[in-house]
Amino acid sequence: DQQVKQNSPSLSVQEGRISILNCDYTNSMFDYFLWYKKYPAEGPTFLISISSIKDKNEDGRFTVFLNKSAKHLSLHIVPSQPGDSAVYFCAASGTSGTYKYIFGTGTRLKVLA
Amino acid sequence: EPEVTQTPSHQVTQMGQEVILRCVPISNHLYFYWYRQILGQKVEFLVSFYNNEISEKSEIFDDQFSVERPDGSNFTLKIRSTKLEDSAMYFCASSEDSSNQPQHFGDGTRLSIL
Repeated sequence: DQQVKQNSPSLSVQEGRISILNCDYTNSMFDYFLWYKKYPAEGPTFLISISSIKDKNEDGRFTVFLNKSAKHLSLHIVPSQPGDSAVYFCAASGTSGTYKYIFGTGTRLKVLA
Repeated sequence: EPEVTQTPSHQVTQMGQEVILRCVPISNHLYFYWYRQILGQKVEFLVSFYNNEISEKSEIFDDQFSVERPDGSNFTLKIRSTKLEDSAMYFCASSEDSSNQPQHFGDGTRLSIL
């Protein structure tokens, strides 16, 4: 099931700079997208979401952008902090009345102090 | 902040044995889910549950699996006769509503089948 893809398995960023994590999807019926952060030995923690009627949603240091024509979403973290180091998953849902999430494979972000 | 809690954190079971994984969803949530993550793979949907019945299940969720909400707080996943390939992290999640409300996840149960 390759409906949601995160093509970068890892990313390193200097503290204070911007982190940009990317996610692509193939199913045009998805209408709700989310980003989760995961630390080792913990469950995914919800970060931010966006509905398909919007192209941007912002919450503090986190902004999610949605480009429906390109079937692409991204998460921007500004400024990046060492505590942001974790695995980030994008997820999508909403096809035909289903509320299950389809997850990407994750991107490991390392913020260097 | 309310959270989803799962027990046990780690379960080791012999192949062929039954196992029950337990979850306490967030108290005002109405929708409940189980996902699993096999080591090195994606988080995969197993089943969703609403109003005391399964609303959707994946092809992974075969007759060996069942879910139950035995009382007002617990939500359980039972695997009747475990196989080696059932070894994975199992995550429980809950949400207030079904659409455009984020699912909140527990810290998972690591299931190891010997």
